[in-house]
Order: sequence, then C-alpha cells, then structure tokens
Amino acid sequence: GAVVSQHPSWVICKSGTSVKIECRSLDFQATTMFWYRQFPKQSLMLMATSNEGSKATYEQGVEKDKFLINHASLTLSTLTVTSAHPEDSSFYICSARNRGRSDNQPQHFGDGTRLSIL
Amino acid sequence: AQSVTQLDSQVPVFEEAPVELRCNYSSSVSVYLFWYVQYPNQGLQLLLKYLSGSTLVKGINGFEAEFNKSQTSFHLRKPSVHISDTAEYFCAVSVAGFQKLVFGTGTRLLVSP
Repeated sequence: GAVVSQHPSWVICKSGTSVKIECRSLDFQATTMFWYRQFPKQSLMLMATSNEGSKATYEQGVEKDKFLINHASLTLSTLTVTSAHPEDSSFYICSARNRGRSDNQPQHFGDGTRLSIL
Repeated sequence: AQSVTQLDSQVPVFEEAPVELRCNYSSSVSVYLFWYVQYPNQGLQLLLKYLSGSTLVKGINGFEAEFNKSQTSFHLRKPSVHISDTAEYFCAVSVAGFQKLVFGTGTRLLVSP
C-alpha cells in the first residue's frame, strides 16, 4: 500500500519550454503533497507543500510563478516548471501523506522526475 | 529550527560486514525520526521510523536504528550488509504536530565484494 506514482520519469526539452510533472497517490487519498528538488549528490530540498483545494505554500527562495503547483484532487498534484532554463535541470521528487491520519504518518515518495533542459 | 547532521558522506564496507550510519539531530521540541533509502534515479523508500515507545526500531531489509535522546542521535545499523544495500541513505526529522521533513545531507553506502 501507499504507492505514489510520478510521471514522467525523464524529460528532455528545449529552453523556454514549460514542463508539467504529475504526482498521484494510487491507493490512498492525500490531503497534502510535497515537492522536492534534489541536485546531484545532494539532499532533498523542500520546494513547496501542496494542499488539496488551496494554494500551495512555497519555501523561502522558491519562485511561485516559476514553479506552479496545482492540487486539484485528493490523488493528484502537478508541478509545472514554466519557461524552463538549463539552471532548472534537476531531479524533482514528490511525496504524499495519507489523508485523515495523525501527524506522525510518514511521507510516501514517488520515483522522481529527471528534468534536463537543453 | 530543526536540523539533521549525517557526519559521513560515504561509508565503504565489505559484503557481510556490519555497518552503522550516523545521524544526529537538533531540536528543542519532540520529534519524529525517519530513515529513507534512495537507489539511483529513484525516489525515497522508508526504511524505518521512530515515533515513540521503544527506542530500538526495526525496519525493512534487516536494518534497525536506536533513538538516543540524551545524545540526540538516531544511528542506523545492519549486522551484515549485502551488495544490494549499496544506495544513498537519508536521515530525516519532523516536529510533532507539523508535516515538514528536514533531511540530512545523506550517506552513500558502498558495499563491495
């Protein structure tokens, strides 16, 4: 149980393109989803917390107009990297927490999306 | 604010040897502690978690960790590693009542024959 699917797993596109990444909780409802960015050989940096039906909460230093987050349902959150440039190339990972459970439930992670901007 | 320190960026070990990956945290309030494993080009998989109760926590794949409040540590151990344990291991902390996870910088475990 607690499977999180992330799609696509790999994206290569030209500079200036907007890229959408989907994060789905397959067997549970996720009130809250999280988006992380990971640089090579580094830890995960939280970008934003996505709550179903409300605006995402962005971490300091993350451009909300650059990284658009939509949490349209209890099983789907999307991250859109708008007008992507080479410096946006990175590994993006989403996670989700089970709805209705206490605050000590762990986050379940997707397999990540490797974004390469040429 | 909470922080997590993983002192070892890389730990080389031979197959079937024991291993300990160190994790220390700082927090002025109660925390929950987690260990995650990341294989190349994949997301994170939960190995184990400490929420409350027994300080020795057993997880998947033969791993265990011990919560030591006085030393603010949560070291991960395995008595005999396999080649397949080669991966990146992340220690993480969340404050009780909040949802955010704060990750350490990770430790790469390299198991060789």
